[in-house]
Amino acid sequence: KQEVTQIPAALSVPEGENLVLNCSFTDSAIYNLQWFRQDPGKGLTSLLLIQSSQREQTSGRLNASLDKSSGRSTLYIAASQPGDSATYLCAVRPNNYGQNFVFGPGTRLSVLP
Amino acid sequence: DTGVSQDPRHKITKRGQNVTFRCDPISEHNRLYWYRQTLGQGPEFLTYFQNEAQLEKSRLLSDRFSAERPKGSFSTLEIQRTEQGDSAMYLCASSLWAGGTYGANEQYFGPGTRLTVT
Repeated sequence: KQEVTQIPAALSVPEGENLVLNCSFTDSAIYNLQWFRQDPGKGLTSLLLIQSSQREQTSGRLNASLDKSSGRSTLYIAASQPGDSATYLCAVRPNNYGQNFVFGPGTRLSVLP
Repeated sequence: DTGVSQDPRHKITKRGQNVTFRCDPISEHNRLYWYRQTLGQGPEFLTYFQNEAQLEKSRLLSDRFSAERPKGSFSTLEIQRTEQGDSAMYLCASSLWAGGTYGANEQYFGPGTRLTVT
């Protein structure tokens, strides 16, 4: 059974810092991995999707990398801003379990002005 | 189209009552997913539809839960005889599956319905 973990569970940084969020999954046979942002009490906003054949994806100040063999992905946020404060979730689509995602528990990020 | 919408946004009900939630996906999307999220956890998959066919159901979906997508457009999720453990955020997502065994379909999520069972 695929399991997804995220470290750290919570992170607080001063504005302007670069930071890295980590995601690990137990079964490397994934089809793709997606990073989401969730604001308190709200739905999920897709940030980046990485296909299993890709190593990284970039969007603005965000860069996500994928190392399938080691079961890891990282989300790099450059020059963090208070507006980046949210919970960041990673989710994997396993090859053999249908088309649904398996989510991690999330990392709660606070960027202090 | 402004994205996935869900109704209601909040629902408070007494234990034992039935509740029904609605999800309207992005209009051209043929797949629709339901997830449940409890506080401090990531969403957990419940079920998904391709057009009107319900293709997969999680073991989390007990007999008290039923989902429909009668015309392949909007979907409803009904919970009968609600229990306090049903309190959660119920999220809906949709995607466009273009074919093939593993179509690269990115899921777009709605704002969720927060259910509180008292």
